[in-house]
Amino acid sequence: GNSVTQMEGPVTLSEEAFLTINCTYTATGYPSLFWYVQYPGEGLQLLLKATKADDKGSNKGFEATYRKETTSFHLEKGSVQVSDSAVYFCALTPSNYQLIWGAGTKLIIKP
Amino acid sequence: DAGITQSPRHKVTETGTPVTLRCHQTENHRYMYWYRQDPGHGLRLIHYSYGVKDTDKGEVSDGYSVSRSKTEDFLLTLESATSSQTSVYFCAISDSQGRTEAFFGQGTRLTVV
Repeated sequence: GNSVTQMEGPVTLSEEAFLTINCTYTATGYPSLFWYVQYPGEGLQLLLKATKADDKGSNKGFEATYRKETTSFHLEKGSVQVSDSAVYFCALTPSNYQLIWGAGTKLIIKP
Repeated sequence: DAGITQSPRHKVTETGTPVTLRCHQTENHRYMYWYRQDPGHGLRLIHYSYGVKDTDKGEVSDGYSVSRSKTEDFLLTLESATSSQTSVYFCAISDSQGRTEAFFGQGTRLTVV
């Protein structure tokens, strides 16, 4: 079946540290992959996406590359800020289906 | 920001009472979704709609019903609320089934006592 596995949190980093949040998936067909972010007290919002293998999605300094050979879509940022503290969700959509969500990873950035 | 509004934002209700949550959109998007968010479970799909009067079940639909009589409104009803339905409920909209961005409402925090 289709599923998304994210690294468990919380992930705690100091400001300006390098961030990686791992996401792997299983899916039939050729899914699109997404990262969503949820700030405290808010709904989710799209952070970045990739629709085919080797595509790189990027936004606000975050990047993720669609790796079909390793079925991964890891989220990275070179230098995190306190304002990046949030919960990050990896998600995929198999062909013609709804979003399948990971469990979310809480990120805490300390000044 | 996408025009999507959930109401109420907070509700406390008693076990056994009916509860209706409303999602209203001004984007004219075809697809609307209801999710619940619980610690350790991420987002779980309750029901979704692919058009007026067209709805289908998600992975956790037991105890919930939905209705969509107009493009802009998607109602989620708990016929007889239970404590296990205490959660944060999110409505989402999209103009295609998963291929494009989904926009989320601010959420409704429901407590069943």
